[in-house]
Amino acid sequence: QKEVEQDPGPLSVPEGAIVSLNCTYSNSAFQYFMWYRQYSRKGPELLMYTYSSGNKEDGRFTAQVDKSSKYISLFIRDSQPSDSATYLCAMIKDFGNEKLTFGTGTRLTIIP
Amino acid sequence: EPEVTQTPSHQVTQMGQEVILRCVPISNHLYFYWYRQILGQKVEFLVSFYNNEISEKSEIFDDQFSVERPDGSNFTLKIRSTKLEDSAMYFCASSGQLGEQYFGPGTRLTVT
Repeated sequence: QKEVEQDPGPLSVPEGAIVSLNCTYSNSAFQYFMWYRQYSRKGPELLMYTYSSGNKEDGRFTAQVDKSSKYISLFIRDSQPSDSATYLCAMIKDFGNEKLTFGTGTRLTIIP
Repeated sequence: EPEVTQTPSHQVTQMGQEVILRCVPISNHLYFYWYRQILGQKVEFLVSFYNNEISEKSEIFDDQFSVERPDGSNFTLKIRSTKLEDSAMYFCASSGQLGEQYFGPGTRLTVT
């Protein structure tokens, strides 16, 4: 079983729709969770960083963590064509000097 | 806003040659990382570096790879004798005490 599972997509939704992206993980030692956006041939851009179960909101983005189910989500409201990218979930066991374990990424296209 | 920078953006080299990839992490960060991403695949951890020494390295980071922080600002990845399979995007990242890692734009390494 992979440590982090993420549906690779591709996922296509119309502009203005709510997008839901998800990851599951198997190792309960993971405590800190990140979502990155990556445009083609560019570096991952940090969108959200969460460490407790529940929701965290930042503009059109909401990150949700359910540690009991080992399940994390990223919601994008009022999706825009500029949101078209690959979204990567990543997690670490402790903060500080820790390597990120990434999901495979979900490729998202917002259709105008 | 502070950001991680990387040079060059694209490096083409012949098999067996040495390459040095350069990174300038965010200035007040203490932890430094190299990751790589082969085209179409997930981001993979190579090495982490703290307090002028390697903290952790992956199986990919064999004797052909080395890292150095030659001064207070630069962080380098050297590949001594490149192989075709080293062709990938190489990302530098840095983090502060809270664990959130910020990535640079990447260096695309092409080995011919």
